[in-house]
Amino acid sequence: EVQLVQSGAEVKKPGESLEISCEASGYSFTTYWIVWVRQMPGKGLEWMGIIYPGDSDTRYSPSFRGQVTISADKSISTAYLQWSSLKASDTAIYYCARHRKPGYSSSSADYWGQGTLVTVSS
Amino acid sequence: EIVLTQSPGTLSLSPGERATLSCRASQSISSSYLAWYQQKPGQPPRLLIYGVSSRAAGIPDRFSGSGSGTDFTLTISRLEPEDFAVYYCQQYGSSVTFGGGTNMEIK
Repeated sequence: EVQLVQSGAEVKKPGESLEISCEASGYSFTTYWIVWVRQMPGKGLEWMGIIYPGDSDTRYSPSFRGQVTISADKSISTAYLQWSSLKASDTAIYYCARHRKPGYSSSSADYWGQGTLVTVSS
Repeated sequence: EIVLTQSPGTLSLSPGERATLSCRASQSISSSYLAWYQQKPGQPPRLLIYGVSSRAAGIPDRFSGSGSGTDFTLTISRLEPEDFAVYYCQQYGSSVTFGGGTNMEIK
């Protein structure tokens, strides 16, 4: 069974750093792109970027490039989303998801993590 | 960037009725790279349709997708109580963007 299990909710202060994780199981982690999606409170979905764990090829939405870092550790089938200096506007639920087609950077996403709520407040 | 505009913003229908949701793109979407997702409160999105009209695994056949170029439609033939949710379209042909969503509520 394919599963993506994300790390738990975080409460942080502005300026702090943070890394959240997405542990995959039930499939070959290195052959499917992983995507990160942001959902701000009461709002829609925003595509942040993708990573191919097989070779760590990473692509970012222009809106998020330079704001976050996406990485993966294929030895433990885990993808990460990292901030070096959080802002209050980073408060949101962050989802990881798996691309439906193996190896394809352009794809819909068929399996999703449960989401990680990040709250940034002074 | 391709902008996706979903309409209506809110759709009020009763169980058993037919639902038609629209997604219009600011430019033509290449290779039929359009998907639809359903999201219920407190849950992640669920893939319904990919490639404009292909149902994802386990999706009932009352859900269907159609369209081409810049105009796309998600149709739910007969609404079940569990279908009331927010629906998003997504294009993945030129980078990736999502529509703003259609909230389907019980009338």
